[in-house]
Amino acid sequence: DAGVTQSPTHLIKTRGQHVTLRCSPISGHKSVSWYQQVLGQGPQFIFQYYEKEERGRGNFPDRFSARQFPNYSSELNVNALLLGDSALYLCASSVQHSNQPQHFGDGTRLSIL
Amino acid sequence: QKEVEQDPGPLSVPEGAIVSLNCTYSNSAFQYFMWYRQYSRKGPELLMYTYSSGNKEDGRFTAQVDKSSKYISLFIRDSQPSDSATYLCAMSAADSSYKLIFGSGTRLLVRP
Repeated sequence: DAGVTQSPTHLIKTRGQHVTLRCSPISGHKSVSWYQQVLGQGPQFIFQYYEKEERGRGNFPDRFSARQFPNYSSELNVNALLLGDSALYLCASSVQHSNQPQHFGDGTRLSIL
Repeated sequence: QKEVEQDPGPLSVPEGAIVSLNCTYSNSAFQYFMWYRQYSRKGPELLMYTYSSGNKEDGRFTAQVDKSSKYISLFIRDSQPSDSATYLCAMSAADSSYKLIFGSGTRLLVRP
C-alpha cells in the first residue's frame, strides 16, 4: 500500500510569492495534519483537518492556510513568503482525528530566496 | 523552556551496542508518547506508539514511559549501522491528541 505522498519534492520561491503544497493520505485515512520542520529542529504543528474541517491550528500566522478535499487529500497554502518560511513541510495522516498514530510523508523542501 | 527536551547528540556507538535515547517533558497532560526515526532527506517513520505509562516492546525496540518523572526512553538492542538516523520523540495531550509536540531529535551513529 502507498504511504503518504507529497508533491512537489522540492520548491524554490522568492520572498513575497505564494506556494501550494499537496498531500495524499494513506488509503482509508480521513485525517491530515501539516507540520513545519526547520533544519535541526523537530516538526512543529501547523494544522489538522478531518472530514474537510479544520480541527486544530498551531501558532502560525494567517499567511498559512489549508483545506481538505472530499477524497481526503489536502493542500497547504502559504502567502507572502518570508525567508523564515524555508523549511521541510511534512504531511501526516491518521485514520481518525484523535487518539491515532500519525504517519508522515517525506515532505516538501521549500527554499525561499 | 521547551515543552519537550531531547539531547541533540550526536551519539556514536559500536555495532551491536544497546542504545538508550531519552526525552523529558514538562506538561503533565501528555498521555500519548511516540518515537519516530528520521533518515536524512526523509520524513519521520513511526517506531513506537504508547499510551500512558509502562513499557512496550517491538522487535529490537523497547519504549518506556515514566509519567511520575516526566521521562520517556527508547532502547535499541543489537544496534546496526542501518539504525544510524535522527530519533525524534513526540507526545500529545488527551484533549488535543492530534497535535504532536516533538523534541528536537537525537542523532545516532552506529559504527560498523
